[in-house]
This record gives sequence, C-alpha cells and structure tokens, in this order.
Amino acid sequence: SQQGEEDPQALSIQEGENATMNCSYKTSINNLQWYRQNSGRGLVHLILIRSNEREKHSGRLRVTLDTSKKSSSLLITASRAADTASYFCATVEETSGSRLTFGEGTQLTVNP
Amino acid sequence: EPEVTQTPSHQVTQMGQEVILRCVPISNHLYFYWYRQILGQKVEFLVSFYNNEISEKSEIFDDQFSVERPDGSNFTLKIRSTKLEDSAMYFCASSLSFLGEQYFGPGTRLTVT
Repeated sequence: SQQGEEDPQALSIQEGENATMNCSYKTSINNLQWYRQNSGRGLVHLILIRSNEREKHSGRLRVTLDTSKKSSSLLITASRAADTASYFCATVEETSGSRLTFGEGTQLTVNP
Repeated sequence: EPEVTQTPSHQVTQMGQEVILRCVPISNHLYFYWYRQILGQKVEFLVSFYNNEISEKSEIFDDQFSVERPDGSNFTLKIRSTKLEDSAMYFCASSLSFLGEQYFGPGTRLTVT
C-alpha cells in the first residue's frame, strides 16, 4: 500500500450519524495531518497529531494515531450535510523534511 | 483569521509559455510550500522554501520550475516553458514552524492548451 492510504474510498451516511475514516501509512512519521477539500476547492486544515500523541479532539472531530499499526482514524460525530467533502490524511515522514505526503482521500457524502 | 491567498484563481496558457503563480502566505509564517493536484489524482509536493532558499524539492520540480520570495509578503512559482502535463491545481501552503500545521491557499487552476 502507498503512504497515506485512506479507507474507505467513499462513505455515504445520513445527517446525525458518525463518520469514521481510516488512514494507513508505511514509514515512520513525525506527524499526521487531516484535511478537508470541497469539490474543486482548497484544502482546509482540520487537525495535526504528532507521533507521540494517541488522540486529539477538535469540536466534532476526533483523531487517533496508532504508530505501532501505522494507522490513524478521523471520526466526525453528529455529521451535517455541510460535512460533505473529500477528507485526506497527509504524513510528514521522519526522513523527508517537512513535506506532506497525501493519500487518495475518502469522499464523504452526508445526506440530509 | 489569517489565511493564505493565491492569484490568479484560474490561468490559461499556451504550451511553451511562462507562467507565474502568486501566493501571499500567512504573515508571520516562515516555511512555504508549493503542491499540485492533477485532476482526479493525489496532492503532490513540489518544493519547500525557508530562509530565502529551497530546503527540499521533489522529482517533479525540475529545471522548468523556480520559486522566489521577491519581497516580504509574496511567494511565487514560475514555470518557464509550460507543458500540457503541467495542467493542474497548484496550491501554496505556509507554516509557522518546521513540523507545524501547513495552511493551504485556495489554489490556482492552471490549464495548458
């Protein structure tokens, strides 16, 4: 698998439900960042989690990081139609300066 | 809230022409980046810039590309002789610290015809 692979590729849920997206990576990392992208628009930074952190919260977002499994998850609670977007994880690898390596993304659709 | 801005939002150019994409990073940030996203593909790193010099570049960032911080606010990406395959969305990003959050601009859609 490639660095920063998201799972699932697409997720469709009803408003009010929780959405969980997963990200796996291959190499040792300094941090992992989650972004949201609305169709054809810019990347909005959601949350950064460092390699020595296991969980972080920001509003309705909860991110976990398991460095032993090289995986991260993004949980969006009580989803809204406005959460419809693509979600990407991006890693800063230990051996690659500060560049971000992005995954393919998960397309989340929240139905009203 | 401070944000990264980019101009133009859309640039159409003919193959072989030079283009300059402009970015204004967040004012107190020190690390600057260019990424690109070809339609339907992943976001790819191009180059990082710190202390007025390139700190890292990818294999995509060949001699046709250059970056510059001509003054205290702008950060530019120049493509000297555009190719069809340079068509993509180009994103500028900035960060306060070396391993900090990278904040992205809205992007410039470059179309090479």
